[in-house]
Amino acid sequence: AQSVTQLDSQVPVFEEAPVELRCNYSSSVSVYLFWYVQYPNQGLQLLLKYLSGSTLVESINGFEAEFNKSQTSFHLRKPSVHISDTAEYFCAVSVRRGGGYNKLIFGAGTRLAVHP
Amino acid sequence: GEEVAQTPKHLVRGEGQKAKLYCAPIKGHSYVFWYQQVLKNEFKFLISFQNENVFDETGMPKERFSAKCLPNSPCSLEIQATKLEDSAVYFCASSRRETQYFGPGTRLLVL
Repeated sequence: AQSVTQLDSQVPVFEEAPVELRCNYSSSVSVYLFWYVQYPNQGLQLLLKYLSGSTLVESINGFEAEFNKSQTSFHLRKPSVHISDTAEYFCAVSVRRGGGYNKLIFGAGTRLAVHP
Repeated sequence: GEEVAQTPKHLVRGEGQKAKLYCAPIKGHSYVFWYQQVLKNEFKFLISFQNENVFDETGMPKERFSAKCLPNSPCSLEIQATKLEDSAVYFCASSRRETQYFGPGTRLLVL
């Protein structure tokens, strides 16, 4: 079975400071990896994903994540956060398996709170 | 459409009543997924469809929950005889391949 661990339930940070949100996963088979963001009372928005190829993936709003197979991690980073980045961030995996596309398995989420 | 649409946004039911939620996937997406998000932010997978066929129903509490995706109709998730613990936000997602796109959710409150 697969599982996702987000080690920090809350991360407070000051505006313009760097941030890292940690995500580790457990799986005996290959997975796709995703980060989603949820603003209050809204649905999930895809932030970035790793499917194959380069292990460093970037989003359009300055976030990046690096897939590390040996450490089974997919940590999310941003060099300088804004107040508007305050939200809940979810790491998720889905199993690569022939014959179709599978459910997402989510971590418990990390609440990023950016303070002025 | 270009976004996953879910209706209604809010639903209030008395315990024991039926609840029915709807989801219109993005046009061209053949996969539909239903998830339940409970108060502690935990996402629980319920069921997925590939076109109108059930693909994975390992998360469904089958005794009270049912779901359908029929051609040319929104997909639906129905809860018979709701219980207090069914109070949650229900999200639908659709995909063409591995990347799922989520709707805004339906908030169900069971009193």
